[in-house]
Amino acid sequence: NAGVTQTPKFQVLKTGQSMTLQCAQDMNHNSMYWYRQDPGMGLRLIYYSASEGTTDKGEVPNGYNVSRLNKREFSLRLESAAPSQTSVYFCASRAEVAVKNTGELFFGEGSRLTVL
Amino acid sequence: GNSVTQMEGPVTLSEEAFLTINCTYTATGYPSLFWYVQYPGEGLQLLLKATKADDKGSNKGFEATYRKETTSFHLEKGSVQVSDSAVYFCALTGGYSTLTFGKGTMLLVSP
Repeated sequence: NAGVTQTPKFQVLKTGQSMTLQCAQDMNHNSMYWYRQDPGMGLRLIYYSASEGTTDKGEVPNGYNVSRLNKREFSLRLESAAPSQTSVYFCASRAEVAVKNTGELFFGEGSRLTVL
Repeated sequence: GNSVTQMEGPVTLSEEAFLTINCTYTATGYPSLFWYVQYPGEGLQLLLKATKADDKGSNKGFEATYRKETTSFHLEKGSVQVSDSAVYFCALTGGYSTLTFGKGTMLLVSP
């Protein structure tokens, strides 16, 4: 069972370069999320997609764009990377539950990005 | 908006000691509450959850009770093991899609 798969696992960029983080899930989940994790800050939501064809901003969307390519895939793009975007990025997915969304979030293993 | 406050770490314990990690929350309505665990080099995974007041979530010897009167969801374990060393995140969901996380508490257990 693959679950949530993220690529790449590690990446070093120079300031101003662009890159895309890929995420795919094989659990037929409707919702997908991108979080970043920074020391002392916990996890902060960047963007999410409640269903195929929709995306919404989270807490820290500036400097990022996303694409929900299909139900399985949700990519995160940095158009012009900045040192402040050095972080560990996690993709997650969740099945929707009809009553009071209580479905479990499933996380990928993370992508560690360093911007020099 | 929603928020979660956890005790700062690291929490350092000896094996077989009793563990409490405090978590309090602010939310409108009736959120669901979660504890996630992150082992070194891995993503987060659900440890336990509670969906309504007075519910007790439990898993792997860990427990947490949803206390609406004190807006708390403290994590406890009676006897920790070295293998429990990890970062623990308290979280809540009150809306349709998004989960709000606390900043995480690192637990270090020594033999």
